[in-house]
Amino acid sequence: DVKVTQSSRYLVKRTGEKVFLECVQDMDHENMFWYRQDPGLGLRLIYFSYDVKMKEKGDIPEGYSVSREKKERFSLILESASTNQTSMYLCASSPNGSGANVLTFGAGSRLTVL
Amino acid sequence: AQKITQTQPGMFVQEKEAVTLDCTYDTSDPSYGLFWYKQPSSGEMIFLIYQGSYDQQNATEGRYSLNFQKARKSANLVISASQLGDSAMYFCAMREGFQGAQKLVFGQGTRLTINP
Repeated sequence: DVKVTQSSRYLVKRTGEKVFLECVQDMDHENMFWYRQDPGLGLRLIYFSYDVKMKEKGDIPEGYSVSREKKERFSLILESASTNQTSMYLCASSPNGSGANVLTFGAGSRLTVL
Repeated sequence: AQKITQTQPGMFVQEKEAVTLDCTYDTSDPSYGLFWYKQPSSGEMIFLIYQGSYDQQNATEGRYSLNFQKARKSANLVISASQLGDSAMYFCAMREGFQGAQKLVFGQGTRLTINP
């Protein structure tokens, strides 16, 4: 019954490494999102995509990039990881439409950068 | 300015009591939606309840209800007859507009602890 899958639950990387976080959804949703979650700050939007190959910056895009080559897959890339990117990363997807269009989240990827 | 504000970092409630989690929001868009999510210690985000800005009645879903006061820009979550399994982080979120990618803006969260 898993609908949004994040490839890694826990990752430990070194400063300067390139990091890929993968997210796949099987609900044929148009929209996909990457958030990071930090204590006391809630969830903050990094990037989102409303269609294949389309992307838009969220509130905190610095230090991140994304890729959406297929509708079901949305990747978050840290070109050169830094310690301040240690966080929980949550991927989500949602359909288009004018209703509630609830975001469905993955289980999260906890990244530690040493 | 914060678009979503949750002023209670933590709350402690006795089992079977009702609990209200506060949420205020800020928007000039007449069309918006308000959401509550629950995040247990396992980490997954679970959708609880939704209220559209044009909905005339407060949303309810089982033991959850949303106390929507539009003029005050508040959207408090009420959990009736709390259970031990309600212990979790709770996030309020807002979506502005009903078109497009419909990204959500989240509050800081409230950690709810239910005591036996």
